[in-house]
Amino acid sequence: EAEVAQSPRYKITEKSQAVAFWCDPISGHATLYWYRQILGQGPELLVQFQDESVVDDSQLPKDRFSAERLKGVDSTLKIQPAELGDSAMYLCASSLVSGRAKNIQYFGAGTRLSVL
Amino acid sequence: AQKITQTQPGMFVQEKEAVTLDCTYDTSDQSYGLFWYKQPSSGEMIFLIYQGSYDEQNATEGRYSLNFQKARKSANLVISASQLGDSAMYFCAMREGRDSGTYKYIFGTGTRLKVLA
Repeated sequence: EAEVAQSPRYKITEKSQAVAFWCDPISGHATLYWYRQILGQGPELLVQFQDESVVDDSQLPKDRFSAERLKGVDSTLKIQPAELGDSAMYLCASSLVSGRAKNIQYFGAGTRLSVL
Repeated sequence: AQKITQTQPGMFVQEKEAVTLDCTYDTSDQSYGLFWYKQPSSGEMIFLIYQGSYDEQNATEGRYSLNFQKARKSANLVISASQLGDSAMYFCAMREGRDSGTYKYIFGTGTRLKVLA
């Protein structure tokens, strides 16, 4: 069964270091999302891609976060420098762009980040 | 104002019983979608069920059904015949923004369900 792949599963880093997360969506899914989920809360959208273009990054802290999807397939989310408040689960999701199924986001297993 | 409200931080249900998880939403869009996701302790968000705002019938997927009451802006999840493996966090989510051209997905704060043997 097709799934969204994310790596690493866990990341521990020190404050002010750089971290990067990778996501490979389900094949054929043109829309890709990065979410941040703080413990005890629901996911919050950071950035949304349609193919290689950013369609929504209004909630992305652009002073330290960046995201790219150069060839419209896999994507990387980077934080530099990491801060203590960035400790969270980072989830990637993908969806189709047409048909009823376009409404459904499929999520990866996430990357759990701890900033010390 | 909260766009998605889940008022039950935690719920208990006896195995094999049915349970309803509450969700209310707020939107001015005419076209929107409502979702439920399950998040086990492993962290992955698992899609359960989807209801479009124009769907006339309540969505069902196996043991999951969505009780959609449009006028009351509620989209409660009903799990029938609960199983121990249903113990998890459950999130209600809404997709809106079609009128503006960019979909936005908003999640509630979740309900933790514990199924008792």
